[in-house]
Amino acid sequence: AQSVAQPEDQVNVAEGNPLTVKCTYSVSGNPYLFWYVQYPNRGLQFLLKYITGDNLVKGSYGFEAEFNKSQTSFHLKKPSALVSDSALYFCAVRDPNRDDKIIFGKGTRLHILP
Amino acid sequence: IAGITQAPTSQILAAGRRMTLRCTQDMRHNAMYWYRQDLGLGLRLIHYSNTAGTTGKGEVPDGYSVSRANTDDFPLTLASAVPSQTSVYFCASSPTVNQPQHFGDGTRLSIL
Repeated sequence: AQSVAQPEDQVNVAEGNPLTVKCTYSVSGNPYLFWYVQYPNRGLQFLLKYITGDNLVKGSYGFEAEFNKSQTSFHLKKPSALVSDSALYFCAVRDPNRDDKIIFGKGTRLHILP
Repeated sequence: IAGITQAPTSQILAAGRRMTLRCTQDMRHNAMYWYRQDLGLGLRLIHYSNTAGTTGKGEVPDGYSVSRANTDDFPLTLASAVPSQTSVYFCASSPTVNQPQHFGDGTRLSIL
């Protein structure tokens, strides 16, 4: 069965520093991977996805993520954090070879400290 | 503005009552989903619909039912609400099952 893990409940980063939010996954085939962001009292918003192609994927608001097949990871990164990046981030995975739904991780709360 | 509309935005409900959460999208997406979000548990899929006229069970379907009579609407019904169904409910849609989902802003439901 497919699964996704976000090992950190919370990440604190100083404004201007690089940030990383970790995600690992488990699927039987080649995964479809997604990152979403959630601001207070709002629904999730799509940031970026990996389907195939370049392992480094660029998305909205300056975020990027690197697909690493050997480590089964899809960490979210940004070179220079902004206070406005503070939010809840969700990683999600789907195995396109199975009739499974997208599975979301439990979320990582990102705090950018001014 | 195109998107997903959920109603009501919040509701307090007595246990045992019937409740329908409404979800409408105007993007002509084929697939629609209902999730519940609980602290420490992330998002869990309740029911989904890959296309109008079809529905399926997600991870936590018990106590909930859905229908998909047309492309735009995907209501979620709690037949007899229980306190464990207190949660924030999100409706989402996507063009197909492999594409990113668009989310509504949620319904905050409290069952007393």
